Amino acid sequence: QKEVEQNSGPLSVPEGAIASLNCTYSDRVSQSFFWYRQYSGKSPELIMSIYSNGDKEDGRFTAQLNKASQYVSLLIRDSQPSDSATYLCAVKGTGNQFYFGTGTSLTVIP
Amino acid sequence: GAGVSQSPRYKVAKRGQDVALRCDPISGHVSLFWYQQALGQGPEFLTYFQNEAQLDKSGLPSDRFFAERPEGSVSTLKIQRTQQEDSAVYLCASSLRGQGAINSYNEQFFGPGTRLTVL
Repeated sequence: QKEVEQNSGPLSVPEGAIASLNCTYSDRVSQSFFWYRQYSGKSPELIMSIYSNGDKEDGRFTAQLNKASQYVSLLIRDSQPSDSATYLCAVKGTGNQFYFGTGTSLTVIP
Repeated sequence: GAGVSQSPRYKVAKRGQDVALRCDPISGHVSLFWYQQALGQGPEFLTYFQNEAQLDKSGLPSDRFFAERPEGSVSTLKIQRTQQEDSAVYLCASSLRGQGAINSYNEQFFGPGTRLTVL
């Protein structure tokens, strides 16, 4: 079982819709959670970090964390074509390592 | 500097050659990570430095891989006797504090990566 699981997609949504990206993790004591956006041929770019249960909003992005279910999600409201990218979920446990999922490919259709 | 920089951006090596990849983290960042990213995969942890101390090298795939950060700033990842399976993008990331923090201080910022192709 991988440490972090994501649906690889591809996920397609029309412009203006809400895109929902999901991630589950296996280490129950994980404490820090991150979403990165990665355009093709580029390096990952940090979008959101979340550390406690509940929702955290930043502009069009909302991260949701449920530690009991070991589940973290990212919602993108009013999706734009420029949001088309691969979204990586990353989880840090009590050690030094960060574990990344394989990423979900998102396409926003104009 | 403004961000994490890496060099070279692209490296082609013949099988058996040694390569050295450089990472220059954000100024003042304590933590430095190296990752390997294969096509279509997420980054895979290789090693972690806190200042000049290499605290975790559990992700290094073989003893051909070696990393150092002698003065607690610039880091070099060296791969000896490269093999075709070493072909990947090597990413460096830095964060402000040590990894004991559970807050925004452990947010990692990535460099542009070095794409290594071993022929």
